[in-house]
Amino acid sequence: QKEVEQNSGPLSVPEGAIASLNCTYSDRGSQSFFWYRQYSGKSPELIMFIYSNGDKEDGRFTAQLNKASQYVSLLIRDSQPSDSATYLCAVSNFGNEKLTFGTGTRLTIIP
Amino acid sequence: EAQVTQNPRYLITVTGKKLTVTCSQNMNHEYMSWYRQDPGLGLRQIYYSMNVEVTDKGDVPEGYKVSRKEKRNFPLILESPSPNQTSLYFCASSRARVGGNEQFFGPGTRLTVL
Repeated sequence: QKEVEQNSGPLSVPEGAIASLNCTYSDRGSQSFFWYRQYSGKSPELIMFIYSNGDKEDGRFTAQLNKASQYVSLLIRDSQPSDSATYLCAVSNFGNEKLTFGTGTRLTIIP
Repeated sequence: EAQVTQNPRYLITVTGKKLTVTCSQNMNHEYMSWYRQDPGLGLRQIYYSMNVEVTDKGDVPEGYKVSRKEKRNFPLILESPSPNQTSLYFCASSRARVGGNEQFFGPGTRLTVL
């Protein structure tokens, strides 16, 4: 079983709609949860991180964490063509020393 | 400008020829890390360092070495590269441990081992 799992996609969403990206993890001791965005040919960049159960909002982005279900998600409201990218879920270990990434979900926003 | 730099950006080499990929950050970050990215496997951590002279293995350390003699530099060494080390490599740094801290990634080094 992979430690961090994401649906690889591609996920196609109409412009202006809500994009929903999901991630599950296997280590119950995981402490921090991150969403990175990676454009084709570029390096990953942080969108947001979360470490408490519940929702965390930042502009058009909302991260949701449910530790009991070992599930973290990212919602993108009012999707824009510039949101088209691969979204990487990352989870830190108990000591926050290591980061494990999922394989990423490729998101395409259709104008 | 705050950044992580890597050199070279592209490298084609042959099996067994030792090589070093350099990584440098100008943000006075304590934590540095190396990842490799392969299609279908995602980003996998090779080694990380929580401070000068403190390094530890990530998930895929075999065939790699690192050193952290200065805070700003974290070179990745392949003593005897093999074709299965052909990959896209990223160096990253963060202010402290990864928990709650953004990692800043370098531009990547695309390595091909023939």
